[in-house]
Amino acid sequence: ETGVTQTPRHLVMGMTNKKSLKCEQHLGHNAMYWYKQSAKKPLELMFVYSLEERVENNSVPSRFSPECPNSSHLFLHLHTLQPEDSALYLCASSQDWGRGNSPLHFGNGTRLTVT
Amino acid sequence: AQSVAQPEDQVNVAEGNPLTVKCTYSVSGNPYLFWYVQYPNRGLQFLLKYITGDNLVKGSYGFEAEFNKSQTSFHLKKPSALVSDSALYFCAVRDPLKGGSYIPTFGRGTSLIVHP
Repeated sequence: ETGVTQTPRHLVMGMTNKKSLKCEQHLGHNAMYWYKQSAKKPLELMFVYSLEERVENNSVPSRFSPECPNSSHLFLHLHTLQPEDSALYLCASSQDWGRGNSPLHFGNGTRLTVT
Repeated sequence: AQSVAQPEDQVNVAEGNPLTVKCTYSVSGNPYLFWYVQYPNRGLQFLLKYITGDNLVKGSYGFEAEFNKSQTSFHLKKPSALVSDSALYFCAVRDPLKGGSYIPTFGRGTSLIVHP
C-alpha cells in the first residue's frame, strides 16, 4: 500500500472517447504531479500542482487536462487521444514543496492503451 | 540547469555479488539527490536520499549510495545482490539554487538484472 492510490489500473479507450484518471494521496502532502512513462523513453513530467495551484505545465497537448480540486485529489481528463499517448501514467505527491528535499511518493500508475 | 545521467541501460550481476548502479549529475550548487526503484507494473518507490552531511547514505533493502562531490556522482550500491533486487532504478536530482522550482530531474533508468 503506497499511500498514493490511482484508479483505474488499466484503461483502454478509443480515440474519440473521453475518460478521466484519478489520483488520491493519503499522506497529507502539499504537491501533486502527473508523469508519463513510455517504453524506452525517460519519465516525462506533465503537470505539477502545489497547494492546488498549477505551478508547472510542461508543454502538454490540450487533449490532456488536469484538475486539482483539493490537496488530496488530482485528476487527468483525457479526450481525443492518439495511439502514441498509450503509456503508464504515474501520479506522485510530495511534502515541503518549497524546500525541495522531500522525496516523491508514487502511485502504481494507470496503464492506458489508446486504440 | 540541472541534469542527471545514468550511463548504463542495463547492469547484470550474479546473486551474492556486490552491485553498483551509476549516476552522475550536474547542478549549479549543492544537489539534493535521490534513488528510486520500480518493480514491474508498479510506481517508483523511494530508496534513499542525500541532502547534506555524511557522504554515505543508507536506505531501504540494504542499499546505500555514496555522494562524491569532486566526481559529481551518486552511485547506488549493495554488498550482496538478491534476485529480488531485479528492477528498474532511477536517479534524480534537485537543484536548490534553481529558484522556486523544486521539480526533480530523473535519469533514464537502469535495468538491474540479478542472475541466480
